[in-house]
Amino acid sequence: SQQGEEDPQALSIQEGENATMNCSYKTSINNLQWYRQNSGRGLVHLILIRSNEREKHSGRLRVTLDTSKKSSSLLITASRAADTASYFCATDSGGGADGLTFGKGTHLIIQP
Amino acid sequence: DAGITQSPRHKVTETGTPVTLRCHQTENHRYMYWYRQDPGHGLRLIHYSYGVKDTDKGEVSDGYSVSRSKTEDFLLTLESATSSQTSVYFCAISERGTNEKLFFGSGTQLSVL
Repeated sequence: SQQGEEDPQALSIQEGENATMNCSYKTSINNLQWYRQNSGRGLVHLILIRSNEREKHSGRLRVTLDTSKKSSSLLITASRAADTASYFCATDSGGGADGLTFGKGTHLIIQP
Repeated sequence: DAGITQSPRHKVTETGTPVTLRCHQTENHRYMYWYRQDPGHGLRLIHYSYGVKDTDKGEVSDGYSVSRSKTEDFLLTLESATSSQTSVYFCAISERGTNEKLFFGSGTQLSVL
């Protein structure tokens, strides 16, 4: 069953604008992660936020986590054409070695 | 791609035939995973391994088996392929068994006709 659900499913913005994607999940988590997937490629880990953290930054990425609402957001600032990709949130609920549960993704298109 | 190689990259096969996909890593990571990616479903876990000869089922394991005889290789077998197994298959590895960061291969596009 799907744990995370990203919103919107697709997003198109102009280069230089900020892009915000949201993720909602259903059960308690140990951490939430965001991955990027370029067309025809595997997923690449972007950032991890733990359940006891509220905000985290990495370069142009900013992630927030609201465990009371079971939601997270990924903000990409000053977007570039190279940011065009699909973005997935993934949750770790068990803390064991049994893998992550992924959402269906947000497809981001940066218009030059 | 963090020292992960999947083979083949593309495969077309017929319903009812056996298919084996291979994942090879050079990172010496203990944990390995097989996911499938389908439109509208995102990525779903098929099987995972936490060591040589130690494997377990994921969310969508029916119709699939795995083997891990060496740290570096994790094989996914479709005993009798069906059209519903047409998908993109991704292998992933993790250094620690905490799911904190997965590294993915480039995927295998499998079409079952």
